[in-house]
Amino acid sequence: DAGITQSPRHKVTETGTPVTLRCHQTENHRYMYWYRQDPGHGLRLIHYSYGVKDTDKGEVSDGYSVSRSKTEDFLLTLESATSSQTSVYFCAISGRTSGANTQYFGPGTRLTVL
Amino acid sequence: GENVEQHPSTLSVQEGDSAVIKCTYSDSASNYFPWYKQELGKRPQLIIDIRSNVGEKKDQRIAVTLNKTAKHFSLHITETQPEDSAVYFCAAEPGNTGKLIFGQGTTLQVKP
Repeated sequence: DAGITQSPRHKVTETGTPVTLRCHQTENHRYMYWYRQDPGHGLRLIHYSYGVKDTDKGEVSDGYSVSRSKTEDFLLTLESATSSQTSVYFCAISGRTSGANTQYFGPGTRLTVL
Repeated sequence: GENVEQHPSTLSVQEGDSAVIKCTYSDSASNYFPWYKQELGKRPQLIIDIRSNVGEKKDQRIAVTLNKTAKHFSLHITETQPEDSAVYFCAAEPGNTGKLIFGQGTTLQVKP
């Protein structure tokens, strides 16, 4: 597995509270991504980053914000968590070597919003 | 934007049989098509990929074919084994966007 860690691995929180998930990589890859995975929906892109302080929205960005102040860290924040944000969140990285966007995934964070 | 459709959603085969999973995409500018395997409770892992300038790629028991004209690509697994049981996802990168759009996934069950 590529050098990707996510923290926390599990979290239970209440509706309306802020939550921050962290993705950390040791591969020095330029691109980093946040996905959510829900039954029947596959992997849906929330936000991604193509460099330090360079981010863009994905398919399901409403209710989420991101920040990337260092190459190795990409943070996902739920400003006010809702039950619909209960999901498994995966971080991914890509070096886009040789023009191929091969993405490597972290171990995932299971988030439950009560 | 790009849309990726994957079929079937579930597939059950006998050990030793072949399995085929198909995906279609909508954006003719898409040029990179990876396949991921996800075992229960684990992260998705890349098993094979293909670029738009190639029609077929093989790696031991797995192969991927691409038909750019029809905008579809397929994963072929031969001589299936129980350890092939997992969820498989296809994906497409529209243009040079740096993003991947994933299909909904196929749950493959290989019966011993």
